[in-house]
Amino acid sequence: AQSVTQPDIHITVSEGASLELRCNYSYGATPYLFWYVQSPGQGLQLLLKYFSGDTLVQGIKGFEAEFKRSQSSFNLRKPSVHWSDAAEYFCAVGADGGSQGNLIFGKGTKLSVKP
Amino acid sequence: EAGVTQSPTHLIKTRGQQVTLRCSPISGHTSVYWYQQALGLGLQFLLWYDEGEERNRGNFPPRFSGRQFPNYSSELNVNALELEDSALYLCASSLVGRGRTDTQYFGPGTRLTVL
Repeated sequence: AQSVTQPDIHITVSEGASLELRCNYSYGATPYLFWYVQSPGQGLQLLLKYFSGDTLVQGIKGFEAEFKRSQSSFNLRKPSVHWSDAAEYFCAVGADGGSQGNLIFGKGTKLSVKP
Repeated sequence: EAGVTQSPTHLIKTRGQQVTLRCSPISGHTSVYWYQQALGLGLQFLLWYDEGEERNRGNFPPRFSGRQFPNYSSELNVNALELEDSALYLCASSLVGRGRTDTQYFGPGTRLTVL
């Protein structure tokens, strides 16, 4: 069955430091991949997505992610973290390449930012 | 342009009661998805509606049901509420649903508490 793994439950970084959140997926064909961010008690906001083409994807708020087929990974990065980036981040894959409609989410990584 | 809207924001019900949650998609979107985010269980797919029809269903009992109206808004109904139904219920919409995963945009959610 398809799955998404986010190995880090909680990460703390200092403001201004770089950030990398890990995401690994399982799917045989080319996946549709997404990163969403959720502030406490709020809905999900789309940061970026990968459907095909360039494997380095730029998103909002200065985030980027790189699709690496050989590693089945889609890690999220940001060169310099701001205090407002503190939130929970979810990686997701489109189920069965999108034919099932739904997204399969990882368990999320909670990001804390130290001043 | 207005995003996905959900109502109500919060609900408190008692065990055994029934509840209806509402979702209005982004204008022009024909697909609506429902997800449950319960503490410790992550984001779980509930239902997918496209063009008024149920297209896919997650691993939830039949007391979770819904419908999509001609204007593409949607309702999620939960009968015979149980304590474990307490969760944030998220609605998402996308432009094209059938046959592929299009980007899903999420609403702010409805927080349901079952006492």
